[in-house]
Amino acid sequence: GEDVEQSLFLSVREGDSSVINCTYTDSSSTYLYWYKQEPGAGLQLLTYIFSNMDMKQDQRLTVLLNKKDKHLSLRIADTQTGDSAIYFCAESPSDNYGQNFVFGPGTRLSVLP
Amino acid sequence: DVKVTQSSRYLVKRTGEKVFLECVQDMDHENMFWYRQDPGLGLRLIYFSYDVKMKEKGDIPEGYSVSREKKERFSLILESASTNQTSMYLCASLTSDRGNTNYGYTFGSGTRLTVV
Repeated sequence: GEDVEQSLFLSVREGDSSVINCTYTDSSSTYLYWYKQEPGAGLQLLTYIFSNMDMKQDQRLTVLLNKKDKHLSLRIADTQTGDSAIYFCAESPSDNYGQNFVFGPGTRLSVLP
Repeated sequence: DVKVTQSSRYLVKRTGEKVFLECVQDMDHENMFWYRQDPGLGLRLIYFSYDVKMKEKGDIPEGYSVSREKKERFSLILESASTNQTSMYLCASLTSDRGNTNYGYTFGSGTRLTVV
């Protein structure tokens, strides 16, 4: 079945760039997502990318998709303490209406002053 | 913006109690979902619904049921709460356009349930 993998922890210094990586297995995935979860809260959709795109940029966020290697990354420029959270990668296979989202385990980003 | 509201942020219930977790969305979405989130296990799908009175089992439906009497409301029911159902419960609604382009979930803020 589908599987999404991420490293569990990442620490960066404030002002540096953060890169959170994700690999997925379903080559038919149509949509790939990044969600952010702050302590005690639900998941917030940060950004998404369609599988026919290589890159998407949104202010400090850059998403890169390597479809050949099934690798997705999220780069956060000028990381701030408010970026400390858990970041989830998710894929949505084609031919469904959302019921088969597969989430990664989440990467806990710690931003050090 | 789509809003998904879960009625309680924190709940403490006793073993054997019947527990209702309520979720309401305000965007006329057809697809709604219940997940539980546990450390080390990530998000696991309990049930989902793609229309009123329709429900489908997810990956871990045992011990749970759901109700979707109105489009905007999707309820998760723990028939007889047990300590292993202590968890964070997340409701989500699917954001898509009329062409079924899928923009991802909108999540509620979660309900942290403790069963004692």
